[in-house]
Amino acid sequence: KNQVEQSPQSLIILEGKNCTLQCNYTVSPFSNLRWYKQDTGRGPVSLTIMTFSENTKSNGRYTATLDADTKQSSLHITASQLSDSASYICVVSGQAGTALIFGKGTTLSVSS
Amino acid sequence: GAVVSQHPSRVICKSGTSVKIECRSLDFQATTMFWYRQFPKQSLMLMATSNEGSKATYEQGVEKDKFLINHASLTLSTLTVTSAHPEDSSFYICSAREGASGGAGSTQYFGPGTRLLVL
Repeated sequence: KNQVEQSPQSLIILEGKNCTLQCNYTVSPFSNLRWYKQDTGRGPVSLTIMTFSENTKSNGRYTATLDADTKQSSLHITASQLSDSASYICVVSGQAGTALIFGKGTTLSVSS
Repeated sequence: GAVVSQHPSRVICKSGTSVKIECRSLDFQATTMFWYRQFPKQSLMLMATSNEGSKATYEQGVEKDKFLINHASLTLSTLTVTSAHPEDSSFYICSAREGASGGAGSTQYFGPGTRLLVL
């Protein structure tokens, strides 16, 4: 069964600290993996997208990694800011024409 | 990046009434649009896939007669919740796909969501 699991479910960190969110998937065949940020009451916004051949991709203070062999991905946030407080969702795309598989997300709270 | 808008952003209605939510791709043509529903602290759940000019494909368990989807143009899809009940209260999010299906060149852009509260 195609699944995407994220950990931790929630995380609280102090402003300025770094953190890493994890995503494991069992989707096969695999097309690409995306990380989205979803603010409360808003739609998801794309942070990164990686294909099978890509190991890392950065978007400002966000760096995503992908290990297609172990089917694991991580999202590292550097020097966190209060505005980083949101839900971070890992989404995996299988073969063309199939629906995206969503993780349940990690809720990040950055406090001052 | 591409922009997808939704209208209204929130709506409160009485039980038994119908509510229409619009989803527009503002700067690209979207052959395919998707409708999701999200309950508090839950992930997005796909309700249906809408292709321009054809009938929508509904996910298992989603009542097509209750959630009417129309995708009349390449930039507009609508979701109508008919005879809404309190259990239909949720956050409805649309997305539009730009580019070929499934490949790395295709990206789904999400709308800002519509909060529906049925009293």
